[in-house]
Amino acid sequence: DAGVIQSPRHEVTEMGQEVTLRCKLISGHNSLFWYRQTMMRGLELLIYFNNNVPIDDSGMPEDRFSAKMPNASFSTLKIQPSEPRDSAVYFCASSLLLRGGLYPPNTGELFFGEGSRLTVL
Amino acid sequence: GNSVTQMEGPVTLSEEAFLTINCTYTATGYPSLFWYVQYPGEGLQLLLKATKADDKGSNKGFEATYRKETTSFHLEKGSVQVSDSAVYFCALGGDTGFQKLVFGTGTRLLVSP
Repeated sequence: DAGVIQSPRHEVTEMGQEVTLRCKLISGHNSLFWYRQTMMRGLELLIYFNNNVPIDDSGMPEDRFSAKMPNASFSTLKIQPSEPRDSAVYFCASSLLLRGGLYPPNTGELFFGEGSRLTVL
Repeated sequence: GNSVTQMEGPVTLSEEAFLTINCTYTATGYPSLFWYVQYPGEGLQLLLKATKADDKGSNKGFEATYRKETTSFHLEKGSVQVSDSAVYFCALGGDTGFQKLVFGTGTRLLVSP
């Protein structure tokens, strides 16, 4: 089984340039999460989608960041223009979310990709 | 809101030592609890989970018990190996229809031979 696939694995760019990170979900999963990891702030949830619909984007830092799911298996995270403080490892994770009301609790596991390490000079 | 507090790292141990990484949580309702592990250069992967009070999750020699009375989910292993060196994240899952995991800050474990 293929896991979550992210690209590129490493990206070095200059301030002001546009950056696009890509993620392919595990087949059959219906939820997609973008996280950012830095030494200073740890793991931060940026945005998540369920059935291609953005559910919560409150973690997106600012308007320079945007995320899309053009279809059920693929997502992009775009930063335009990029800044040095955007340097981080960006993780994509997918899950199969089961809607069952309040009980029993949703216990779906998140499957993470290997991350995209972004360096903005 | 929901939150998770983990002990600060790094935790440095010799091989075959006993490991405890503390995790406490604040939540409403009946959340699920998770431990994820991140090996160098990789993404996070689920290590174990518990879905209700008094449940014990276990995997690869690691264990954690969901303690509602102390709001804790401490990770333990009786004898660590060098290959266990990684960052361990405690996480809390909401009990509503849309899962949004809340992660702790992570605890780095370094095991020396």
